[in-house]
This record gives sequence, structure tokens and C-alpha cells, in this order.
Amino acid sequence: EVQLVESGGGLVQPGGSLRLSCAASGFTFSTYWMNWVRQTPGKGLEWVANINQDGSEEYYVDSVKGRFTISRDNAKNSLYLQMNSLRADDTAVYYCARDAVQDTAMVLFDYWGQGNLVTVSS
Amino acid sequence: EIVLTQSPATLSLSPGERATLSCRASQSVSNFLAWYQQKPGQSPRLLIYDASIRATGIPARFSGSGSGTDFTLTISSLEPEDFAVYYCQQRFNWPPTTFGQGTKVEI
Repeated sequence: EVQLVESGGGLVQPGGSLRLSCAASGFTFSTYWMNWVRQTPGKGLEWVANINQDGSEEYYVDSVKGRFTISRDNAKNSLYLQMNSLRADDTAVYYCARDAVQDTAMVLFDYWGQGNLVTVSS
Repeated sequence: EIVLTQSPATLSLSPGERATLSCRASQSVSNFLAWYQQKPGQSPRLLIYDASIRATGIPARFSGSGSGTDFTLTISSLEPEDFAVYYCQQRFNWPPTTFGQGTKVEI
């Protein structure tokens, strides 16, 4: 059974940093593109970033470029999102999500984690 | 960035009725349009991709149509478990892939 379990969220002050983790199991992690998607009541679902199978390609939504870094450790079956210079509008539930097809970037999300709340507030 | 506009924002229907949800793109996305369902407290679930292909395990009462800028998700006969929020997503022009703001199907 495919499972994605996020951790690392919480309350952080504006300007602070946080690192999210996503532990994957039930599939060959190293053969899939992986994604972070966030959700807020006001803006709905927003794709944040993705990374290819070996970590050599990364893409970001403009609003997080230069502040967030996606990475992965295939030996640990884990995906990460390092978030720096956090702002109030980064407050959201963050999901890790698997791309639907092995070995290619379909940018379709067939499995999602349970979500992890990040709150940026003083 | 391609903007997706969903309508209506809320659809009030009864079990057994037909639901028709719309998604309009700000520019052509060819057929690279997907639909997701999200129930309260749950993560989104992929229903339809490439405008009309049902994802694995999705019941046949869910169907998608359209191409270019106008797309429709149809639920032929609503079951109690279908009352949820539905989002469309384009992957024609990424990054970024973008989502619509959602349509809530309520009883």
C-alpha cells in the first residue's frame, strides 16, 4: 500500500524557517517525480514545487522561488521542503504528492499525504 | 500562468440527480485537464485525467469531457459519498501547474 506521511509542520514566526519531511512507503520511491502542494481556505490548492527521480531537476511556483528548496533522499525514501523567510501568506496545509506515472513528469497526483499545517504568525 | 475558473461555486443537488461542473481555462490547455475530489478532512483524490480518462478505481458515473478551454465533469447519478469539493487542474503549461478554485457539491 502506498503511503506518504508528512511531518515537521507547526507555528513559526514571520521570517523564520521550517523543514517539512515526507516519508514514502509501498512503492519504488526513486522512480517517481515528487511534489509539494499546499492548500489554504482563501487560495485553494496551489502547487509549490516538484523534483525528479534523482534530484537533478527542481521546479517551483514563482511565489516561493529563492525561499523554498525541495530535496529528496532516495536511500531514506524521503522528500523534504526547506522553507526559509516564511511569510504570513505561506500559512497552509502542505501535502506531499506522488506523480502518477513512473519515470516521467506527468504532473498528475495519484497519492497524497495526509497534510501538515504550517502557520506563520507572530 | 494559466488561470482556471470553475462554476458554479456551489451546486445544491439531491442523491440520484445529475451533477454538471464546469472548468474554463484562460488559454487552451489542449486535453491536459484533470479533476480531483476532496472530502472534508481528507486529501484530494484523482478522478479524471487528460479530460476524459478515469483514474484507477473511479466509478463509471464520473465522466469528463472537453478540450481547449472548456471542460465538464459529470456525475451521472449522485451517491451520498459524492458530496464533496471538486477541483480541476491543468498540466499543459507548467511550471506552474494550476488548479481551479473548486466547486462544492452539497446536498
